Amino acid sequence: DGGITQSPKYLFRKEGQNVTLSCEQNLNHDAMYWYRQDPGQGLRLIYYSQIVNDFQKGDIAEGYSVSREKKESFPLTVTSAQKNPTAFYLCASSNPGQGRGEQYFGPGTRLTVT
Amino acid sequence: QQQVKQSPQSLIVQKGGISIINCAYENTAFDYFPWYQQFPGKGPALLIAIRPDVSEKKEGRFTISFNKSAKQFSLHIMDSQPGDSATYFCAAALTDSWGKFQFGAGTQVVVTP
Repeated sequence: DGGITQSPKYLFRKEGQNVTLSCEQNLNHDAMYWYRQDPGQGLRLIYYSQIVNDFQKGDIAEGYSVSREKKESFPLTVTSAQKNPTAFYLCASSNPGQGRGEQYFGPGTRLTVT
Repeated sequence: QQQVKQSPQSLIVQKGGISIINCAYENTAFDYFPWYQQFPGKGPALLIAIRPDVSEKKEGRFTISFNKSAKQFSLHIMDSQPGDSATYFCAAALTDSWGKFQFGAGTQVVVTP
């Protein structure tokens, strides 16, 4: 049963702490993405990765970091430098060479920082 | 700046009615226009997508109309059902840029019984 898993579903942290969100896919997709979703603002791209050991900043990368050590995994760290980290975070993957654009999304992680 | 503008922000339609959501884009190089459906607390799921070489695509009760000259596209949900109540996002992408999507702000659709 292929898909994208994100864990945990809910995450609570104190201000000033770094936190890492997990994203794993077994779709054998080359590309992976992290989005942030806030009410009324749609989805905004944080980081994306086209291939292992390579990643690029999206539109709102400040205060976030990622790694891509394995094809299946693309964890996102929300650092203490992120001024407003409370949001719903979505991971996605795609295979541009085959699907030509379709992105498949995980179930999301809701992060609350107080 | 927002490259894809979506309207309306919310929509209430009676069961059996037609829901219409509109999107406008700026970059004429975009070549892939998907629509995603999202239920509360879940990730978006691809609903239907179109490329600029066709003006309309229909899948079941869902139809995309595409107007290349006006740089606009819309989603029509025919015979709307309560199970269609969700948030719908349009997007535009350059597939040669590894699928970097520009999303609209979303439309919350409520279908009343």
